[in-house]
Amino acid sequence: EIVLTQSPVTLSVSPGERATLSCRASQSVSSNLAWYQQKPGQAPRLLIYGASTRATGIPARFSGSGSGTEFTLTISSLQSEDFAVYYCQQWNVWFSFGQGTKVEIK
Amino acid sequence: QVQLVQSGAEVKKPGSSVKVSCKASGGTFSSFALSWVRQAPGQGLEWMGEIIPIYGITNYAQSFQGRVTITADKSTSSASMELSSLRSEDTAVYFCTGRFIVNSSSFDYWGQGTLVTVSS
Repeated sequence: EIVLTQSPVTLSVSPGERATLSCRASQSVSSNLAWYQQKPGQAPRLLIYGASTRATGIPARFSGSGSGTEFTLTISSLQSEDFAVYYCQQWNVWFSFGQGTKVEIK
Repeated sequence: QVQLVQSGAEVKKPGSSVKVSCKASGGTFSSFALSWVRQAPGQGLEWMGEIIPIYGITNYAQSFQGRVTITADKSTSSASMELSSLRSEDTAVYFCTGRFIVNSSSFDYWGQGTLVTVSS
């Protein structure tokens, strides 16, 4: 089973600042890594798939990078609607999610 | 636009079973694999298993093997997840998710979630 470890657990950022979230896999998942955003009371929303491709309708301020075991989600300039919990998810043989990073207002 | 609409909230006794359904619309059902993901209160996301309706193939997470059954009905473009031997730790929101079978390893579409409460 592949374990995804996200860091930090909580990230405090001011609006307009850059946020960098990390996701580390316990073994290589190639580029089979996705990122989701979840707001309270809502289902997760796909942001990034294939490690670096933005899903339909996702603003350009969201970008993903990495391959193998190390991945990064960057939000270039945080907007008020971006404060949420972010999860990474991998597919190798099975699917699994990281434990999440909460991005909160500083 | 693909939509996944799930059945309503359930309250169950420990030891019983629950069945949650998910109906897809707005897309080609045969193009999708449908997974179930759950989220306990205040916790993260946990993948439970998947069905590929066009092939009738199911895959289950090891932690749910023997307790979960996922089925699909191509004639109604719907899927169901049944979880048995319920315990309090199964209290969670259960999401139906869809991904394209070809060249996709991410969950593009999500249902609204179904709260299952297990309580005596």
